[in-house]
Amino acid sequence: EVQLVQSGAEVKKPGESLKISCKGSGYSFITQWIGWVRQMPGKGLEWMGSIYPTDSETKYSPSFQGQVTISVDKSITTAYLQWNSLKASDTAMYYCVRGGYYPYLFHYWGQGSLVTVSS
Amino acid sequence: ENVLTQSPGTLSLSPGERITLSCRARQSISSNLVAWYQQNTGQAPRLLIYGASIRATGIPDRFSGSGSGTDFTLTISRLEPEDFAVYYCQHYGDSPYTFGQGTKLEIK
Repeated sequence: EVQLVQSGAEVKKPGESLKISCKGSGYSFITQWIGWVRQMPGKGLEWMGSIYPTDSETKYSPSFQGQVTISVDKSITTAYLQWNSLKASDTAMYYCVRGGYYPYLFHYWGQGSLVTVSS
Repeated sequence: ENVLTQSPGTLSLSPGERITLSCRARQSISSNLVAWYQQNTGQAPRLLIYGASIRATGIPDRFSGSGSGTDFTLTISRLEPEDFAVYYCQHYGDSPYTFGQGTKLEIK
């Protein structure tokens, strides 16, 4: 069974850094693109970017390029989403997603990680 | 960026009714690479339909998708209580892989 298990809720202050995680299991981790989708409070879904674990090739949405960093640790089948300096507008639910034959068709979703940024 | 516009924004319906949701793209979507997702309150989205008309694994046959080019639809033939949720369309052929803004189905 494919599972994407995300790290827990975080409460941070503006300007702080943060790295959230997504552990994949039940499939060949290195051969499937894994990505992140943002959902701001009461709003819709936004694809942020995706990474191919085999070679760490990463693709970002233009809206998120330079704002976040997506990385992966193949040895522990875990993908990460990182901010260097959080803003209040980063408050959102973040979902880890996995495609298949089509990397950006999201068959599998993590449970979500809620990030709250508030002074 | 290929903007997807969903309509209507919100619908109030009763269980047992039939409903068709619309998703219109600003530019033609090649190979019908359009998906539909369902998101119940407090849950992660789940994939319903891909390739415009192919039901994902485990999705009941009351859900069906159709369309091509710039116009796509999701039809629910008989609404069940668990179908009252938010529905998103998405294209997955060209970056950025945008979603529509969603259609919310409410119980009347």
